[in-house]
Amino acid sequence: EMQLLESGGGFIEPGGSLRLSCGASGFTFSRHAMSWVRQVPGKGLEWVSVITGSGALTYYADSVKGRFTISRDNSKDILYLQMNSLTAEDTAIYYCAKDRDTLAYGDSFDSWGQGTQVTVSS
Amino acid sequence: SYVLTQPPSVSVAPGQTARITCGGTNIGSTSVHWYQQKPGQAPVLVVYDDDDRPSGIPERFSGSNSGNTATLTISKVEAGDEADFYCHVWHSATDHVVFGGGTKLTVL
Repeated sequence: EMQLLESGGGFIEPGGSLRLSCGASGFTFSRHAMSWVRQVPGKGLEWVSVITGSGALTYYADSVKGRFTISRDNSKDILYLQMNSLTAEDTAIYYCAKDRDTLAYGDSFDSWGQGTQVTVSS
Repeated sequence: SYVLTQPPSVSVAPGQTARITCGGTNIGSTSVHWYQQKPGQAPVLVVYDDDDRPSGIPERFSGSNSGNTATLTISKVEAGDEADFYCHVWHSATDHVVFGGGTKLTVL
């Protein structure tokens, strides 16, 4: 059974940094692109970033480009999101999500983690 | 940027058919995916590549995509189908994932 488990969320002051992790199991992690998606409670889904299976390619939403960095460790089956220069607008539940197929990227998300809450406030 | 437009809400009586639309310029030329999200839970993929269902998703869930509109159809709606639904595409021109704003399905 595919499983994704996020960690690293918490309460952080504006301007601070936080690193989220997403541990994967039940599938060949290195063969699938992975994404981060966030959601303000009560609001819609917002895509944050994607990384290809090899880690060679990464793409970011305009709202986080230059501040967030997605990476992965295929030897440990872990996905990361380094978040810098955080603002109140980054407050959300952050989900990691797995591409369904073993394409480079751009597929549907067939597995999601349970999410980790990030709260940015002074 | 590419925008996907969904109706904020759709209401349907049990046993009837619900149709949730997702509008976007020439959306018919790309693959559309749909997610169901119940309160306090992560989204679940219910339709991918316009009209395919993941294993475990009932046949009552189906999709179509043509022109400027993609549609998720839920037949014989049950109370347990009540949730938020989101459409999703990969916008190749910008290398961005785009989600629709979401539609709240209410079962009357």
